[in-house]
Amino acid sequence: EADIYQTPRYLVIGTGKKITLECSQTMGHDKMYWYQQDPGMELHLIHYSYGVNSTEKGDLSSESTVSRIRTEHFPLTLESARPSHTSQYLCASSGGQGAAFGSGTRLTVV
Amino acid sequence: QKEVEQNSGPLSVPEGAIASLNCTYSDRGSQSFFWYRQYSGKSPELIMSIYSNGDKEDGRFTAQLNKASQYVSLLIRDSQPSDSATYLCAVSGGYNFNKFYFGSGTKLNVKP
Repeated sequence: EADIYQTPRYLVIGTGKKITLECSQTMGHDKMYWYQQDPGMELHLIHYSYGVNSTEKGDLSSESTVSRIRTEHFPLTLESARPSHTSQYLCASSGGQGAAFGSGTRLTVV
Repeated sequence: QKEVEQNSGPLSVPEGAIASLNCTYSDRGSQSFFWYRQYSGKSPELIMSIYSNGDKEDGRFTAQLNKASQYVSLLIRDSQPSDSATYLCAVSGGYNFNKFYFGSGTKLNVKP
């Protein structure tokens, strides 16, 4: 079973608030990813990292930012949440084989 | 052109039948190929990986890879209603080896 943890599982927040979605993995994987997925829709890569202090934007333009100060931790921050940010956010990590996903954070911005 | 193409379905098969799911990819340099299963409201779960041409079997699942045709498939034998889910094809190891490219998924319905 994959050891990748996301918190919170569900979050309802008001417009304009700053939020940080947490993602941690205990497998020592170098590569970590953030995906955004709306219900019934495809995965969109928004950020990825291939090691400490390395982060790259993904294929989907996003107003979020990420950091990778420690191997195990890859948080995603939205400085000012908007209703258009309402979605499911999935974190994943990979040690060279397939990617393992966390349980996701379902974000609703009201 | 998308990196990974899948038929969105839905693909409907009766219980006990073989379900065949297909995927094509555009980066000829890709080296690693994966199938994920995603139940509604859940995260994707890795079910098969394949790295060389040919077939790889794991229980009721068989992954098939043809690099010359840039084609990956997943066969599910003796399909069960619990197999009803969206199946995602993913590819990595190409020109951007740090990234996984996911298809949009094929929805499978197994009818009792």
